[in-house]
Amino acid sequence: DVKVTQSSRYLVKRTGEKVFLECVQDMDHENMFWYRQDPGLGLRLIYFSYDVKMKEKGDIPEGYSVSREKKERFSLILESASTNQTSMYLCASSLLEDRGSYEQYFGPGTRLTVT
Amino acid sequence: GQQLNQSPQSMFIQEGEDVSMNCTSSSIFNTWLWYKQDPGEGPVLLIALYKAGELTSNGRLTAQFGITRKDSFLNISASIPSDVGIYFCAGPGTYKYIFGTGTRLKVLA
Repeated sequence: DVKVTQSSRYLVKRTGEKVFLECVQDMDHENMFWYRQDPGLGLRLIYFSYDVKMKEKGDIPEGYSVSREKKERFSLILESASTNQTSMYLCASSLLEDRGSYEQYFGPGTRLTVT
Repeated sequence: GQQLNQSPQSMFIQEGEDVSMNCTSSSIFNTWLWYKQDPGEGPVLLIALYKAGELTSNGRLTAQFGITRKDSFLNISASIPSDVGIYFCAGPGTYKYIFGTGTRLKVLA
């Protein structure tokens, strides 16, 4: 079974703090994704990565950065947390499309509150 | 961003009833994915469909890939209280997935 794990289920941070959210997948997937999910707005893509050290901006990258130093690990960084970044953050992974599968698997989520 | 249209938006059903929901798109997809999300949890992949007309089951769940490739359907038979949650569809694009607006299911015991 594919497993995607996230470092924390719940986080409370103060405005201006630097925040690290970590994600690890154990299925040798090339693609990894970070989303945020807010009521009424659905899932919005922040960044994705299709290979180690590669990253691409999603729909809402402002205020975020990412790091992918190892294939299995994808980190989301909030350089200076703000209250409007309070949200549920979801990590996901999938194989490269040319490997024949589009199945995307999600982690359990991190509920981040910025006060 | 672009979203897939799901209907109904929400539904209350009695335990034991069958449930149907659908997902439509203005674009063609080559794959349809169905997920369930419980409150405070990440989405869990239920079924993946890869071929137009394909019918795939996973326990009490059955999903179909529409012939036009612009829609998909999910049926849940004999619903139970733990079926409560949000079901949503997804269609993969190039590195980006388009997600449905979700169907919230509530089961009355």
